[in-house]
Amino acid sequence: DTAVSQTPKYLVTQMGNDKSIKCEQNLGHDTMYWYKQDSKKFLKIMFSYNNKELIINETVPNRFSPKSPDKAHLNLHINSLELGDSAVYFCASSQAINYGYTFGSGTRLTVV
Amino acid sequence: GENVEQHPSTLSVQEGDSAVIKCTYSDSASNYFPWYKQELGKGPQLIIDIRSNVGEKKDQRIAVTLNKTAKHFSLHITETQPEDSAVYFCAAGTNTGGFKTIFGAGTRLFVKA
Repeated sequence: DTAVSQTPKYLVTQMGNDKSIKCEQNLGHDTMYWYKQDSKKFLKIMFSYNNKELIINETVPNRFSPKSPDKAHLNLHINSLELGDSAVYFCASSQAINYGYTFGSGTRLTVV
Repeated sequence: GENVEQHPSTLSVQEGDSAVIKCTYSDSASNYFPWYKQELGKGPQLIIDIRSNVGEKKDQRIAVTLNKTAKHFSLHITETQPEDSAVYFCAAGTNTGGFKTIFGAGTRLFVKA
């Protein structure tokens, strides 16, 4: 039973399109995150939610909009996709805000 | 802003040898230091963590040390095995302007059989 599951695993789309990535965790964790990993493997925080409330919003373009319908889900919607959005996006969850993360397996987004 | 530096970027060791990865952090308010292992095509996996009230923690072949004064922390892997080959990330958690975890740039570890 997957602890943090993301869909889709791969996403190839054209510039200008709108796409969504879904994330669900079955660990009962309070906090969920979106991270972006670039081609050099660097992991950068995008958003953090605690009990469905947004607590961290890094300097991410407003084309990226997270949505947390409940504690177990954190989805990421991206409008007007650009070439530079190509990366691997990881969802993660943690027991609380200062605990270790359980990561999903990632969504590789390729914008062509 | 907060910054975590990690060295080396690449490390190659012979099977059975030890591997050491070092990190420094800039925010003195950081109080949580996890380490993650990322294998090819997978998400990072938490392997060990340490909090600022502890100087050292060990779990079988891996250990982490923390020097709060110098703002250094290190990962030590003993008796390395080929399956230890992966990218390792250090991170520092800080409660400045909302708790966030900042990751180092990663160390690619190769263990040669």
